Amino acid sequence: DTGVSQDPRHKITKRGQNVTFRCDPISEHNRLYWYRQTLGQGPEFLTYFQNEAQLEKSRLLSDRFSAERPKGSFSTLEIQRTEQGDSAMYLCASSAPYEQYFGPGTRLTVT
Amino acid sequence: GENVEQHPSTLSVQEGDSAVIKCTYSDSASNYFPWYKQELGKRPQLIIDIRSNVGEKKDQRIAVTLNKTAKHFSLHITETQPEDSAVYFCAASPVFTGGGNKLTFGTGTQLKVEL
Repeated sequence: DTGVSQDPRHKITKRGQNVTFRCDPISEHNRLYWYRQTLGQGPEFLTYFQNEAQLEKSRLLSDRFSAERPKGSFSTLEIQRTEQGDSAMYLCASSAPYEQYFGPGTRLTVT
Repeated sequence: GENVEQHPSTLSVQEGDSAVIKCTYSDSASNYFPWYKQELGKRPQLIIDIRSNVGEKKDQRIAVTLNKTAKHFSLHITETQPEDSAVYFCAASPVFTGGGNKLTFGTGTQLKVEL
């Protein structure tokens, strides 16, 4: 499968714990995006990388959220001290240049 | 920032009929407008997109039109089939200085195609 992949697909955690998600983009895509989607809503932009540089962050991305793309390939999204409001589907997408293709998402449930 | 409104929120059509979903955007800097189809529990799937230098684009049973002056764009699906049933999202985006784009999505339209 040469599409965008994400790991894990599901994560259940207790409030206050830290979680980390991984995204592997389509190999020839140099742009990578993170979005968050809650039930019944469209995806909301979180952050964007071009190669290893993080070029834009949404105000939705609080200090508890951090994203990296150290070698310009895969990316990680970490949420520290999770809260129940963090429960959502976290989607990754990649593009070259405009058409964004999404991964299957990581569904986070904070109990 | 960009704001995208989408209507209707639900749409029910008979198989073989046409379906139209409309979106408006607020940021005149937006110049890229994709449409995604999302089935329950699946990833959003890009089905068609249009850039601001064209007014219409068609791909088999799917077409998108864009009116830059009025800041609205629409998705048209002809000869609908049961497998077209899904949630459809429109999106709009300006292009970053270095390339790439930040999509702002509408709230989605639940399309149901009835036999």
